[in-house]
Amino acid sequence: DAKTTQPPSMDCAEGRAANLPCNHSTISGNEYVYWYRQIHSQGPQYIIHGLKNNETNEMASLIITEDRKSSTLILPHATLRDTAVYYCIVRVPDNAGNMLTFGGGTRLMVKP
Amino acid sequence: NAGVMQNPRHLVRRRGQEARLRCSPMKGHSHVYWYRQLPEEGLKFMVYLQKENIIDESGMPKERFSAEFPKEGPSILRIQQVVRGDSAAYFCASSPHSNQPQHFGDGTRLSIL
Repeated sequence: DAKTTQPPSMDCAEGRAANLPCNHSTISGNEYVYWYRQIHSQGPQYIIHGLKNNETNEMASLIITEDRKSSTLILPHATLRDTAVYYCIVRVPDNAGNMLTFGGGTRLMVKP
Repeated sequence: NAGVMQNPRHLVRRRGQEARLRCSPMKGHSHVYWYRQLPEEGLKFMVYLQKENIIDESGMPKERFSAEFPKEGPSILRIQQVVRGDSAAYFCASSPHSNQPQHFGDGTRLSIL
């Protein structure tokens, strides 16, 4: 079962920042937060991951609260091509099963 | 640097036939994962393989499904005697090490007539 809670859908205006929240109140100390997205008819795309420090790469920024019970994925300047379902996943890297457990995600609609 | 390659992209089979789905991981990746996405549902883990070994098959149906990742060549997900309920998108992912992010292919969409 997924250990995260995300809003089912969000809208964002093109060119504005998209802030996608994720609640993971039962996260354990060695679990990382991963973000993936799935654009229609494509495979999931890895975006970013982090443990407790904020992370940034060419795609997005990840802000993790100090108590690690929630996080926010930020797309700084959303484009129409960012319309997708965004998945927040918590897992321990190198755990025995190594699987990713996908929940329902957030369907982000970027509008002109 | 080519990504994860899956083929075919679309596969149509009649009930009772066999389906073979192939996955070539990214160069340098020796860990392969298979996931299934039923219509209007999320992805579900099926099996995790490392060269020639099945590490975790806890998500695989007990019958008709098998997976392999030989020393040479792609990983194969094999479904015998397919039924309508096997219609889904099957995604493969790979990683260079077990603690690195998984990167996905664009899937094989299996349709059962």
